[in-house]
Amino acid sequence: QKEVEQDPGPLSVPEGAIVSLNCTYSNSAFQYFMWYRQYSRKGPELLMYTYSSGNKEDGRFTAQVDKSSKYISLFIRDSQPSDSATYLCAMSRRSGGGADGLTFGKGTHLIIQP
Amino acid sequence: EAGVTQFPSHSVIEKGQTVTLRCDPISGHDNLYWYRRVMGKEIKFLLHFVKESKQDESGMPNNRFLAERTGGTYSTLKVQPAELEDSGVYFCASSRQGGNQPQHFGDGTRLSIL
Repeated sequence: QKEVEQDPGPLSVPEGAIVSLNCTYSNSAFQYFMWYRQYSRKGPELLMYTYSSGNKEDGRFTAQVDKSSKYISLFIRDSQPSDSATYLCAMSRRSGGGADGLTFGKGTHLIIQP
Repeated sequence: EAGVTQFPSHSVIEKGQTVTLRCDPISGHDNLYWYRRVMGKEIKFLLHFVKESKQDESGMPNNRFLAERTGGTYSTLKVQPAELEDSGVYFCASSRQGGNQPQHFGDGTRLSIL
């Protein structure tokens, strides 16, 4: 069993729709959870960064973490064609100087149809 | 502030040759990480520097890979001799010290071994 499972898609939705992306994980030691957006031929760009369980909102993006279910989600409201990209979930046990490397999902390819 | 910079963006070499990848982290970021994405797989952690010291190199695939960070600034990742399975995209990331510090990624070096 992989440590982080993420459906690779593609996920295609019409412009303006609410998008729901999610990951499940198996290692209960993970405490820091991230969502990155990656455009073709570019590096992962940090979208959301959360610690432990709960919700975090930033503009059109909302990240949710449910540690009891080992499940994290990213919601995108009022989706735009420019949101079309690959969305990667990532997580780690520690942060800062004692940080460990991130464990990534494979990424979900999202397509927003104009 | 300038982001994480990686050079070259693309490298094509023959099996058995040597290649050196370079990463310049964001100024002031003591933590530097190397990752690799092999085609069809998720991004995998290779190693972590805190300043010039290797904090964790548990993800390095074998002794053909050598990472250095002299002076605690930029880092190099050398592959010698390169094998076909080393092909992939090599990403570098950096973060500040302290808790709750997310990692910021460069655009990667696409390495092709022929």
